[in-house]
Amino acid sequence: DAGITQSPRYKITETGRQVTLMCHQTWSHSYMFWYRQDLGHGLRLIYYSAAADITDKGEVPDGYVVSRSKTENFPLTLESATRSQTSVYFCASSESRSGSEAFFGQGTRLTVV
Amino acid sequence: GENVGLHLPTLSVQEGDNSIINCAYSNSASDYFIWYKQESGKGPQFIIDIRSNMDKRQGQRVTVLLNKTVKHLSLQIAATQPGDSAVYFCAESVDPGGGADGLTFGKGTHLIIQP
Repeated sequence: DAGITQSPRYKITETGRQVTLMCHQTWSHSYMFWYRQDLGHGLRLIYYSAAADITDKGEVPDGYVVSRSKTENFPLTLESATRSQTSVYFCASSESRSGSEAFFGQGTRLTVV
Repeated sequence: GENVGLHLPTLSVQEGDNSIINCAYSNSASDYFIWYKQESGKGPQFIIDIRSNMDKRQGQRVTVLLNKTVKHLSLQIAATQPGDSAVYFCAESVDPGGGADGLTFGKGTHLIIQP
């Protein structure tokens, strides 16, 4: 089915470990986005990508790395996880650079212990 | 810094009544405003959007009003139903030709529909 899927849905990792969150979309949207959602902060943009091999920082990029070797995939890597990165992570895709009418995945709940 | 915020964190309404969710924004360069609905355990879902050259837009049971003078955005939901219970986020975006990418979200309002 067409859509945007994230994996895993839930992840527990230890401080200092590397962890990668996966995102896959089937619409061939040009733009993809990673947000984190925390109580009191709403959703904040981490990184976004305008096309394959084109990525750029959002509001809170520190501690994260992204890549986009294929249009449909946009993995987010925490190189050395910290407790402050405990959050719910949402991937989104859109045909618009502004992110309007973006379609969101179901989210990944990451806990760093 | 500039941000998008909501007046009320929780709004409780009776089923069948109309509800109004408010949002204030401070970035005068914002060109595009969107309302998202997020149900528990799910990602945000697009509801309706409005451009800055409009002051009102209607969808199915929903209306978005934009007052640029006071930088205020509202979402009206008519004849609320139990399925409307969710957290509602307003988001803003600057004109793609102008700069920032992605959306800036407000903190959310939890709408509770009472039977």
